[in-house]
Amino acid sequence: SYVLTQPPSVSVAPGKTARITCGGNNIGSKSVHWYQQKPGQAPVLVIYYDSDRPSGIPERFSGSNSGNTATLTISRVEAGDEADYYCQVWDSSSDGEVFGGGTKLTVL
Amino acid sequence: QVQLVQSGAEVKKPGASVKVSCKASGYTFTSYGISWVRQAPGQGLEWMGWISAYNGNTNYAQKLQGRVTMTTDTSTSTAYMELRSLRSDDTAVYYCARALVGATTHYFDYWGQGTLVTVSS
Repeated sequence: SYVLTQPPSVSVAPGKTARITCGGNNIGSKSVHWYQQKPGQAPVLVIYYDSDRPSGIPERFSGSNSGNTATLTISRVEAGDEADYYCQVWDSSSDGEVFGGGTKLTVL
Repeated sequence: QVQLVQSGAEVKKPGASVKVSCKASGYTFTSYGISWVRQAPGQGLEWMGWISAYNGNTNYAQKLQGRVTMTTDTSTSTAYMELRSLRSDDTAVYYCARALVGATTHYFDYWGQGTLVTVSS
């Protein structure tokens, strides 16, 4: 089945830019969605179809996808962005959705 | 506003079954699908399957085929997920999520609050 690889953790200082990667074989040919999950809460969709933002999600959140890597970029990071982030794609070989292992974003 | 409200926490013995409900409001229930996603303690998200609220079509994760059944009741805008032959590694928070269906993908724009299912003897 299709494997999505995320770094376990990313740390960034407030006001800086955080980049969270999601690696997969030719992931650029797939649509990637991203979720933010804070402790004890349900996930929240922050990016869909690689780079679209749902209403209510700040413009500081953006996404890109090419080759073997999709990237979630958070500009001007705030303390409130500290959370786990998950990428998700459809895997045609298993006919199911696949999530990455998640990345814990720490704001220093 | 869109809301998905799930049933309460459950404690089950190994080998038993559990049925979790997810009541939708704030949108036309039959215009979207419902997916179920679970999260074991301290672990990541695992997709369990999807059901169309329009026609009841389902697609289950291969790992859970034969143990899981997803249904909907359009009269009450409620989705259900039943998991049978429970094992200790089924202990998790179970989420329902509204699924938007694209040509080759689904994504989940609203989520329930989660239901903790504990499997313990």
